[in-house]
Amino acid sequence: ETGVTQTPRHLVMGMTNKKSLKCEQHLGHNAMYWYKQSAKKPLELMFVYNFKEQTENNSVPSRFSPECPNSSHLFLHLHTLQPEDSALYLCASSPGTGELFFGEGSRLTVL
Amino acid sequence: GESVGLHLPTLSVQEGDNSIINCAYSNSASDYFIWYKQESGKGPQFIIDIRSNMDKRQGQRVTVLLNKTVKHLSLQIAATQPGDSAVYFCAENMEEYGNKLVFGAGTILRVKS
Repeated sequence: ETGVTQTPRHLVMGMTNKKSLKCEQHLGHNAMYWYKQSAKKPLELMFVYNFKEQTENNSVPSRFSPECPNSSHLFLHLHTLQPEDSALYLCASSPGTGELFFGEGSRLTVL
Repeated sequence: GESVGLHLPTLSVQEGDNSIINCAYSNSASDYFIWYKQESGKGPQFIIDIRSNMDKRQGQRVTVLLNKTVKHLSLQIAATQPGDSAVYFCAENMEEYGNKLVFGAGTILRVKS
């Protein structure tokens, strides 16, 4: 138990579907992150939120839409994805010291 | 995690031996470094960290060494156990640019019994 919970753990979707990934942290942290982990690249930072405000968008395509309603919850809304978007999507939170606490990830497959 | 196993360097060690995993980082201004361990099907887990004002830090069975001159980081695992089998990532952070870790590609550690 890492204190960061991601759902669903596995998701299969077609290119025309709309789905969402959810992340919840129980650590009292104020920063939350989305990372993408695929087979051909190192962990890629996607978005950063500090105190619910987006502070980083790492040139992520608009078919990925993040939402952070409060410091404990983070969503990633998915729409018209491509097969190359298939990856493990990792959520993390941070107390602001630099260390990240990761969830178990959501394994996404786009058909 | 299982998605990063295809093109990563692999270190195979015998159970009980010591392991050394190396990492070259990119930015000489980085001031904080972390090693993460990722087991199959799980997210990365923190192992040990070190700040740039130190060159060595020890934890339980693990030691991190930092050589700023050549921008090199290493993780030493003593008496490697089967449960140490995983992918290991180094990550660097620059406080000046906020808490935004940049990760290396990772190294697979396989422990042979």
